[in-house]
Amino acid sequence: DQQVKQNSPSLSVQEGRISILNCDYTNSMFDYFLWYKKYPAEGPTFLISISSIKDKNEDGRFTVFLNKSAKHLSLHIVPSQPGDSAVYFCAARVDAGNMLTFGGGTRLMVKP
Amino acid sequence: GAVVSQHPSWVICKSGTSVKIECRSLDFQATTMFWYRQFPKQSLMLMATSNEGSKATYEQGVEKDKFLINHASLTLSTLTVTSAHPEDSSFYICSASDFFSYEQYFGPGTRLTVT
Repeated sequence: DQQVKQNSPSLSVQEGRISILNCDYTNSMFDYFLWYKKYPAEGPTFLISISSIKDKNEDGRFTVFLNKSAKHLSLHIVPSQPGDSAVYFCAARVDAGNMLTFGGGTRLMVKP
Repeated sequence: GAVVSQHPSWVICKSGTSVKIECRSLDFQATTMFWYRQFPKQSLMLMATSNEGSKATYEQGVEKDKFLINHASLTLSTLTVTSAHPEDSSFYICSASDFFSYEQYFGPGTRLTVT
């Protein structure tokens, strides 16, 4: 049973446009969510996070939106750059712990 | 800060042999370390969680006799793939958390190829 799902395995976007990556979860105990970026043959690197008490968190070109009632979060990248091309994982945890549950990842390709 | 290293970054071994992968926290004490495996279709699967000085907790479906995890110190955890088979070929990633934070810091990963 996948508790965190990223239903789009891949996404292609033109440089300069917005990239929207989606993530859904089923476990209502999750209350902290993170996005990681991963290049081939490298470990994931932390991108941005959001606590369940917020519905939006912004950091430069990256914004994460959380809709608790829908158990859905999304990562917006504006404007998209070719260097953003990578696999993006969303992850969730129960705030009192440090164990992460990952989604399956979405490969983003930003075309110049 | 919060750097995690893995060694080796790439290893090729023959079927039936064992291979050890090291995960080190370089500038903090890792009370908890996690081992993940990334499958070819991208998904990152948690294999086990280890707390320093105690036995690792394995996720369902992960053979603990095949994937031996040792977390003997606050800066080092090792994953030993015993009697490796070609289907064990994968990308193995560790991460570490310190006592004061719930954040996980990831290592760069180890590519294992079993021939």
